Amino acid sequence: SSELTQDPAVSVALGQTVRVTCQGDSLRSFYANWYQQKPGQAPVLVMHGENTRPSGIPDRFSGSNSGDTASLTITGALAEDEGDYYCNSRDSSSNHVVFGGGTKLTVL
Amino acid sequence: QITLKVSGPTVVKPTETLTLTCTFSGFSLSSSGVSVGWIRQPPGKALEWLALIYWDDDKRYNPSLKSRLSITKDTSENQVVLTLTNMDPVDTGTYFCAHSPDTGPYFHFQNWGLGTLVSVSS
Repeated sequence: SSELTQDPAVSVALGQTVRVTCQGDSLRSFYANWYQQKPGQAPVLVMHGENTRPSGIPDRFSGSNSGDTASLTITGALAEDEGDYYCNSRDSSSNHVVFGGGTKLTVL
Repeated sequence: QITLKVSGPTVVKPTETLTLTCTFSGFSLSSSGVSVGWIRQPPGKALEWLALIYWDDDKRYNPSLKSRLSITKDTSENQVVLTLTNMDPVDTGTYFCAHSPDTGPYFHFQNWGLGTLVSVSS
């Protein structure tokens, strides 16, 4: 099965823009989804499909997909955006599900 | 409103079988395209997908755990059951169930239950 690779940690200054990336062969066939997880809580879907935000997710979150790489961009990061971000998609070779290793986002 | 809740033991002994139940509301697992998945997370570590069951009873398992996993559904009771045999301390973690309304390239886990922490200890 394929894997999804994420940077372990990313930091951003308050109010600035940050991009979290996810790379994997499955992203050539399937869109990446993005989940935000805060300590002690269940993950929350923040982006899916081509660039679709679920209801209630602020528009400072946006997504993009190109080749084998997907990106989640936060424009004007707030302190409340701190947390772990995971990407996931289908596995193109076996119709399974894969998750990335997660990126810890720190807002400075 | 879609909700999912995981129930089951909080502690199991090594070699025992873990059985977890996901009870959901707000959607039907008999509707085309819908699926329910199980995901776990060891303390301080990343999410790991375990299993997925579709509306048509198609089942998928994480290849690394396939021999130990089983997933079933009871559509009338709105429940999905996961069993994991031969539990080991490395299986300690929080177990989540989640709902997906889509298949194919638009697959995503839209709603998650709170999860339950399972510890494996003698």
